[in-house]
Amino acid sequence: EDQVTQSPEALRLQEGESSSLNCSYTVSGLRGLFWYRQDPGKGPEFLFTLYSAGEEKEKERLKATLTKKESFLHITAPKPEDSATYLCAVRPTFRSNDYKLSFGAGTTVTVRA
Amino acid sequence: EAQVTQNPRYLITVTGKKLTVTCSQNMNHEYMSWYRQDPGLGLRQIYYSMNVEVTDKGDVPEGYKVSRKEKRNFPLILESPSPNQTSLYFCASSTTATDTQYFGPGTRLTVL
Repeated sequence: EDQVTQSPEALRLQEGESSSLNCSYTVSGLRGLFWYRQDPGKGPEFLFTLYSAGEEKEKERLKATLTKKESFLHITAPKPEDSATYLCAVRPTFRSNDYKLSFGAGTTVTVRA
Repeated sequence: EAQVTQNPRYLITVTGKKLTVTCSQNMNHEYMSWYRQDPGLGLRQIYYSMNVEVTDKGDVPEGYKVSRKEKRNFPLILESPSPNQTSLYFCASSTTATDTQYFGPGTRLTVL
């Protein structure tokens, strides 16, 4: 069974204090790994898709990387507006008609000014 | 503006009273999906639809029904809600099943 585990559950940072979030996964084959940001009371907002080990994507202060077993979301010099819950999801290689995403429970990041 | 909309956003109901949560997208997406989000469990897929008149079960379909009569709409039906269906529900859509999914704003449902 596909498993996605995110750590830590919660992360409190000082403004400017860089850190990383981890997403480890166990799937039969990876079709894609997705990162989303979710603000309280809102739906997840798409950030990145990674497809193969070694791939990296960047957006402002966020950088996502991928290995064969895990993905990291690096937050460089975070600002209070980066406070959110970050969700990781994986899509396994096709099996029959199952295209579903399997989500981790998320990491809640709080950045203090 | 490209978006996924859900209604209602908040709903408090009682056990056994049938309800429908609507979902609509204006992006001409083929693929639509319903998720529920519970603390510590992440998002879990309830049902999905590959296209009009094509739906299938996700991981937690018990107690839910869906229909896809039009491309833009994908309502979630709870025929006899129970307290364990109290949750935050999200609808999502994507161009095809393998593309990035975009989420609606969520519906917070409480079943007393």
